[in-house]
Amino acid sequence: DQQVKQNSPSLSVQEGRISILNCDYTNSMFDYFLWYKKYPAEGPTFLISISSIKDKNEDGRFTVFLNKSAKHLSLHIVPSQPGDSAVYFCAAFQAGANNLFFGTGTRLTVIP
Amino acid sequence: GAGVSQTPSNKVTEKGKYVELRCDPISGHTALYWYRQSLGQGPEFLIYFQGTGAADDSGLPNDRFFAVRPEGSVSTLKIQRTERGDSAVYLCASRPPGTVTGELFFGEGSRLTVL
Repeated sequence: DQQVKQNSPSLSVQEGRISILNCDYTNSMFDYFLWYKKYPAEGPTFLISISSIKDKNEDGRFTVFLNKSAKHLSLHIVPSQPGDSAVYFCAAFQAGANNLFFGTGTRLTVIP
Repeated sequence: GAGVSQTPSNKVTEKGKYVELRCDPISGHTALYWYRQSLGQGPEFLIYFQGTGAADDSGLPNDRFFAVRPEGSVSTLKIQRTERGDSAVYLCASRPPGTVTGELFFGEGSRLTVL
């Protein structure tokens, strides 16, 4: 059973515009949510995280929003740059499980 | 190097053969994970080590899969009697002690192709 879901397999955005990537989860016990970025032939690299007790975390061009009542989070990238083109994975962490649960990923393409 | 190192980067084998994949974590990272990523999917948990012992092996799909970490550093994932469905990228990740966010540091993966 998929505990973390990314329902959009792909997204295309013009350079300079905002990219919004979405993620839904089913387990209300998750403690942290993370976003990873993956280029072809490379391992996933950590981008940004948010605690389950927060509703927003910002780091430069990247902001993650958490809506606990809707069990939904989103990653905003603004302004989007061509180098942001990659697959983005949403992940959730439950301290007791000591494991990261990943979504299926969204391929972002930023068009110059 | 400073990152998680995985070897081989690519492995092609025939159905029924035995395969070993190696992971060298970041120095000082006590937790080590193996994940498997199939085409179009996100990474799926296989096994987690804390030190030398497997703290959670609930993700291993069957008894053909086994992993060891005898000295608490390098880990080897072993797959017996490989099947075509085992073809995937096998990712290793490590985590330093005291991390509360769950952030993992991943290697580049070992791509396994079973013909």
